[in-house]
Amino acid sequence: DTGVSQDPRHKITKRGQNVTFRCDPISEHNRLYWYRQTLGQGPEFLTYFQNEAQLEKSRLLSDRFSAERPKGSFSTLEIQRTEQGDSAMYLCASSAELYEQYFGPGTRLTVT
Amino acid sequence: GENVEQHPSTLSVQEGDSAVIKCTYSDSASNYFPWYKQELGKRPQLIIDIRSNVGEKKDQRIAVTLNKTAKHFSLHITETQPEDSAVYFCAVYGNNRLAFGKGNQVVVIP
Repeated sequence: DTGVSQDPRHKITKRGQNVTFRCDPISEHNRLYWYRQTLGQGPEFLTYFQNEAQLEKSRLLSDRFSAERPKGSFSTLEIQRTEQGDSAMYLCASSAELYEQYFGPGTRLTVT
Repeated sequence: GENVEQHPSTLSVQEGDSAVIKCTYSDSASNYFPWYKQELGKRPQLIIDIRSNVGEKKDQRIAVTLNKTAKHFSLHITETQPEDSAVYFCAVYGNNRLAFGKGNQVVVIP
């Protein structure tokens, strides 16, 4: 499968715990995006990387959230001290050019 | 930030009929407008897109039309089939990100 992949697909954690998600973009896509999607809503932008540089961050991305793309390939999204409001689907997308973004299957986070 | 709205929120059509979903946006500088299809429990799938220098684009049974002056664009699905049942999201590109609408639930009745 040469599409965007994400791991894990599901994560259940207790409030206050830290979680980390991984995204592997389509090979040679230099742009990588993280979005969050809650039930009945469209994806909401969190952050954007071009190669290893994090160029944009949404106001939604509180200090508890951090994202990295150390070698310009895969990316990780970490949430520290999780809260129930963090429960959502976390989607990763990648693109080769400026516009066409292809999404991964997402990581569904449930905070209990 | 960009304000993207979709109408109607739910659309039911008889199999074989056409479906049209409209999306409005606020930022006149936006220049890329994709549509995504999301089936239950699956990833959003890019189905068609249009850039601001084009008024219409067609791909088999789906088409997108853009009216930049009025700041709206529409998805047209002809000869609908049961597998077209899904949530459809419009999006608008600006400031290195896509801003999405809330989605339209399309139900194709066999």
